[in-house]
Amino acid sequence: SAVISQKPSRDICQRGTSLTIQCQVDSQVTMMFWYRQQPGQSLTLIATANQGSEATYESGFVIDKFPISRPNLTFSTLTVSNMSPEDSSIYLCSVVDPQTGNTIYFGEGSWLTVV
Amino acid sequence: DQQVKQNSPSLSVQEGRISILNCDYTNSMFDYFLWYKKYPAEGPTFLISISSIKDKNEDGRFTVFLNKSAKHLSLHIVPSQPGDSAVYFCAASDGTYKYIFGTGTRLKVLA
Repeated sequence: SAVISQKPSRDICQRGTSLTIQCQVDSQVTMMFWYRQQPGQSLTLIATANQGSEATYESGFVIDKFPISRPNLTFSTLTVSNMSPEDSSIYLCSVVDPQTGNTIYFGEGSWLTVV
Repeated sequence: DQQVKQNSPSLSVQEGRISILNCDYTNSMFDYFLWYKKYPAEGPTFLISISSIKDKNEDGRFTVFLNKSAKHLSLHIVPSQPGDSAVYFCAASDGTYKYIFGTGTRLKVLA
């Protein structure tokens, strides 16, 4: 399976600031996704990061709050903008396994705490 | 509306015994299911998958069963080991690669 690296692994952020999370994959992948896990909750899909075009956002998530870039087939960024304590979550990058075409694999996650 | 549910938030099992984790779904269009194990502050680790054309899939100590008519799947871990203690999530997709995750079950394997 692909190896997925995320930076930062964790951070403490001030209310009102923005933070960009990076996701690097060791092979070219077509489909890349960003998920969020709020404390004690399940994983929720934020958006699909499309290479060369705008990301596709799920209901409840908007580009102004979570801008996403996907400049090539191995890299993506997610920015959490104008953060509030409700944004304290683990943010996870995931990719579809090109070999099986159905399984998704996750990075180790970026744990953000907003104070 | 929660399309994927794990009704047991927690489960305790003795080491060496079988752990059975359950998952129910409501959308009949779901055709591919995944199970993950997750430790705190880490990303989920993929365990095993099953397609809707099968009713069982095995991989070592892990077996997943799918009952399409009941819209129910279960993960069996035999034998359970203390290192299996984690939160387990099931996830379902309708072929779009967008997965809906259950709420998770915290498994504790007692030594």
